[in-house]
Amino acid sequence: DAGVTQSPTHLIKTRGQQVTLRCSPKSGHDTVSWYQQALGQGPQFIFQYYEEEERQRGNFPDRFSGHQFPNYSSELNVNALLLGDSALYLCASSRRRGLTGANVLTFGAGSRLTVL
Amino acid sequence: AQRVTQPEKLLSVFKGAPVELKCNYSYSGSPELFWYVQYSRQRLQLLLRHISRESIKGFTADLNKGETSFHLKKPFAQEEDSAMYYCALRGGSSNTGKLIFGQGTTLQVKP
Repeated sequence: DAGVTQSPTHLIKTRGQQVTLRCSPKSGHDTVSWYQQALGQGPQFIFQYYEEEERQRGNFPDRFSGHQFPNYSSELNVNALLLGDSALYLCASSRRRGLTGANVLTFGAGSRLTVL
Repeated sequence: AQRVTQPEKLLSVFKGAPVELKCNYSYSGSPELFWYVQYSRQRLQLLLRHISRESIKGFTADLNKGETSFHLKKPFAQEEDSAMYYCALRGGSSNTGKLIFGQGTTLQVKP
């Protein structure tokens, strides 16, 4: 099992552009959460997707949006990029129901976004 | 407000010395607490969670609701313990993907 996979690993964009990041959850997981980790900071929760709908959202503007597909994979979209959006974007998957401990988050390696 | 505080950005100890990484939280209900670790060039991974009450790689952490703390301890540090450690809190439903992370503490174990 490859665990949680994210793509791309690195990308560079300019201010005002739009970006799409992708995530495939760990096998057996049905829930995807996205986090932003700025340099020197802990991860910050953006939102969570389950059954193809956004279920919970952190304190991020509407420029941040997402999608979950029937195969449980997910995308994070950021519009009108700002310099401050430069960060590592982490995807984490979990299983909503079932085995004890299955709702522990498993993280991907992240996509590092640089906005110039 | 939900908040996790890790007061030390860097903790440097010698091999064989005891280690205590501090974590304090702010939450009005019954939180679930975690420690995540990130070794060099690896992804963030779960080290332990308070409800499991287990020892992983010699590390333990006890939830102290009176002091709102969840400090991570190990009696004898090893060089391979050098990593970034994050304390995290989950409030509300156990199905929520929302964790509140502290800023992290870098543990450096010197030979």
